[in-house]
Amino acid sequence: ILNVEQSPQSLHVQEGDSTNFTCSFPSSNFYALHWYRWETAKSPEALFVMTLNGDEKKKGRISATLNTKEGYSYLYIKGSQPEDSATYLCAFTDSWGKLQFGAGTQVVVTP
Amino acid sequence: DTAVSQTPKYLVTQMGNDKSIKCEQNLGHDTMYWYKQDSKKFLKIMFSYNNKELIINETVPNRFSPKSPDKAHLNLHINSLELGDSAVYFCASSPTSLEQFFGPGTRLTVL
Repeated sequence: ILNVEQSPQSLHVQEGDSTNFTCSFPSSNFYALHWYRWETAKSPEALFVMTLNGDEKKKGRISATLNTKEGYSYLYIKGSQPEDSATYLCAFTDSWGKLQFGAGTQVVVTP
Repeated sequence: DTAVSQTPKYLVTQMGNDKSIKCEQNLGHDTMYWYKQDSKKFLKIMFSYNNKELIINETVPNRFSPKSPDKAHLNLHINSLELGDSAVYFCASSPTSLEQFFGPGTRLTVL
């Protein structure tokens, strides 16, 4: 059973446009929510780890928010560039340390 | 300088054989993981070791056996390989249950 769901599964963005997508997770037994960036033929690379309700993190043009009470996190990409093309994975860790990844949102930025 | 390394990068073998994939991290992390990326590109945790002790053992066939000779190494041994074992296997390490550092992956092909 996939408790971590990401939507949409994929999206196409024009260069320069901003976009966002969602990760939903169980709101009980929350410990941490992670976002990873995964480029084709490479390994996943950590973007953010968030542990507190209301957390907001930013790295360049990419930012993320966390709502643990309702069980969702948004990832935002501002002014998308072709190099932002990747699959963005979220992962949920519960209070027992169990980690589960979502299926990812594949982002394709076209010039 | 490689943080998490895996060998081999590619492994092609016949059905029924026994093979091992090695993972080493030089980050001083206490926790190491093995993941399987399935045909739908979904990343699923297989095993987790903390300081040489097994802490997560997801439902995987008992043909898969992790071995941790020390906390810097977590090897994956697979007996009696089957066609369905073909996948990319990722090793990762983490200082806590938070941010994970992934290896480059091992693409296993069973013929």
